[in-house]
Amino acid sequence: NAGVTQTPKFQVLKTGQSMTLQCAQDMNHNSMYWYRQDPGMGLRLIYYSASEGTTDKGEVPNGYNVSRLNKREFSLRLESAAPSQTSVYFCASFRPTDSGANVLTFGAGSRLTVL
Amino acid sequence: RKEVEQDPGPFNVPEGATVAFNCTYSNSASQSFFWYRQDCRKEPKLLMSVYSSGNEDGRFTAQLNRASQYISLLIRDSKLSDSATYLCVVLPSSGGSYIPTFGRGTSLIVHP
Repeated sequence: NAGVTQTPKFQVLKTGQSMTLQCAQDMNHNSMYWYRQDPGMGLRLIYYSASEGTTDKGEVPNGYNVSRLNKREFSLRLESAAPSQTSVYFCASFRPTDSGANVLTFGAGSRLTVL
Repeated sequence: RKEVEQDPGPFNVPEGATVAFNCTYSNSASQSFFWYRQDCRKEPKLLMSVYSSGNEDGRFTAQLNRASQYISLLIRDSKLSDSATYLCVVLPSSGGSYIPTFGRGTSLIVHP
């Protein structure tokens, strides 16, 4: 089925370890996003990519890096994980349409725990 | 002031009730508006887009008031399955970059 695929779904890390969250979409969307969601905080934008080859910081970029490998893939890397990065991470993609039927589509989420 | 604000609730209503949520936004350049539904520990999913003239989808009605910068969601004849968090999403357009901004969500609990 078309959509946004995130991996892994669950991950436990120790403080200081690194890891990469993978995201891929097959809807030919230009824009892709990484959000984190914490209790009581809502969805906060970490990084986004308006198109292949471009990335920009969002609201909470510290401690993260991203790569827009191609139009389909947008990865999020934690170089040195900290307990404050324990969260649920969502990747999303978006493409505007002339009809206004714009849809922001999310992956299923990656639940990360940093001990 | 947060860009998109919602009453977090929870709204606790009996089955069959009508319930309404409001969402205010601060960026007057906002172009697109949506309501998303999020079930516990799941990803947000599109409930409905919000059009200038207002729109209805079954038991759900969405309204946009650009002058006052708010959108609303009305749910009629609430079902137990409507229990979820409802997220307001606003999409400004800035030089070709589309950056959706989310409210923190309104929690709805429908009880028997």
